[in-house]
Amino acid sequence: DTGVSQDPRHKITKRGQNVTFRCDPISEHNRLYWYRQTLGQGPEFLTYFQNEAQLEKSRLLSDRFSAERPKGSFSTLEIQRTEQGDSAMYLCASSGRGHGLLRAFFGQGTRLTVV
Amino acid sequence: AQSVTQLGSHVSVSEGALVLLRCNYSSSVPPYLFWYVQYPNQGLQLLLKYTSAATLVKGINGFEAEFKKSETSFHLTKPSAHMSDAAEYFCAVSDQDGGTSYGKLTFGQGTILTVHP
Repeated sequence: DTGVSQDPRHKITKRGQNVTFRCDPISEHNRLYWYRQTLGQGPEFLTYFQNEAQLEKSRLLSDRFSAERPKGSFSTLEIQRTEQGDSAMYLCASSGRGHGLLRAFFGQGTRLTVV
Repeated sequence: AQSVTQLGSHVSVSEGALVLLRCNYSSSVPPYLFWYVQYPNQGLQLLLKYTSAATLVKGINGFEAEFKKSETSFHLTKPSAHMSDAAEYFCAVSDQDGGTSYGKLTFGQGTILTVHP
């Protein structure tokens, strides 16, 4: 399977701890997106990369959040000093060049629970 | 700014009945529009997309949607529901080429479809 993969699938952490999630996009895709989905809501955009450059960050992405895509391949999303409000599903998606931008492939997500 | 409104957070139909999930959008530039489906604990799968070609778009699993600019709508339909259609459905919008949000999706709140035997 060469789809988008996310690790871990589930993470339970205590409030105040740091967590890091990983996303491996489809190999030839140059764009990578992070979204957050809370219960009963649609996904909300957090940030995206074109290759290794982070081009846009949502105001939802507080200074406790940081995302990287160091070599334009996999990406990590780190949350520092987690809060209960960070509990959500974190979705990663990737898309290709040109009109391939319109065909985003989503991973299965990482479900974060902060206790 | 773009936004999407999905009317009805829950829709329930009988197997074999028509499925109609409503989506209205707001966009200051010509939009691209999408419908995604999400099964429990899964990521999102693209059902269909409107990219300014034909206004009636056919997707996977027998779903289709019609873009109506005058109504700013992009409702999703399927003539005959199947039990396997039970899932959550999301409408989304993106800018067309040259828009600052090109490729970035703004989602509605979702509609949970229940199919009764």
